[in-house]
Amino acid sequence: GENVEQHPSTLSVQEGDSAVIKCTYSDSASNYFPWYKQELGKRPQLIIDIRSNVGEKKDQRIAVTLNKTAKHFSLHITETQPEDSAVYFCAASMTYDYKLSFGAGTTVTVRA
Amino acid sequence: GAVVSQHPSRVICKSGTSVKIECRSLDFQATTMFWYRQFPKQSLMLMATSNEGSKATYEQGVEKDKFLINHASLTLSTLTVTSAHPEDSSFYICSARGTGAPGGIYEQYFGPGTRLTVT
Repeated sequence: GENVEQHPSTLSVQEGDSAVIKCTYSDSASNYFPWYKQELGKRPQLIIDIRSNVGEKKDQRIAVTLNKTAKHFSLHITETQPEDSAVYFCAASMTYDYKLSFGAGTTVTVRA
Repeated sequence: GAVVSQHPSRVICKSGTSVKIECRSLDFQATTMFWYRQFPKQSLMLMATSNEGSKATYEQGVEKDKFLINHASLTLSTLTVTSAHPEDSSFYICSARGTGAPGGIYEQYFGPGTRLTVT
């Protein structure tokens, strides 16, 4: 099955700085890569996703890049704010079953 | 966006009893529903996949006789934890994908989760 690795496990940044989280996946058949933000006790919330026919996608302060050859994808948050503090998960899935394989998560703390 | 509800949000039960958790898609047809378990400070682990009208497919290591899944309609899936034990205490989250959802065929919509505590 698919194996998704995520780094770092924790990330502390100063407000206004950028945060970068990186993930790698093992199965070249994966073609959908979402990123989720989860606050304590809440459901995962989709913040951005990318499909394998696109190399980069941006939505305001959030961007995701995908390198299919190297099988890795990254989340970039610019101008971080305290409300960006949460656990972030990357995931990967394939069209034939749509099952999501999650990374281990990154706890992001934005220091005011 | 599409809405998925889950009930109950919290449940406490005694060891040996069974608990049923409901997952509903409120405004789209959920062709596929997924059930995840999340232990504290850990990631979401897929337990099973259910397609409407067919038997659920369980991930390796998940006991199908212990975690009964029914997906009887395009808007409802249930997870029953049978003979619950303290080690089953966890956060159970469902998700759904399907036709008519605004995000298209790929996006999964998550329920708010059910906190199960077995005493």
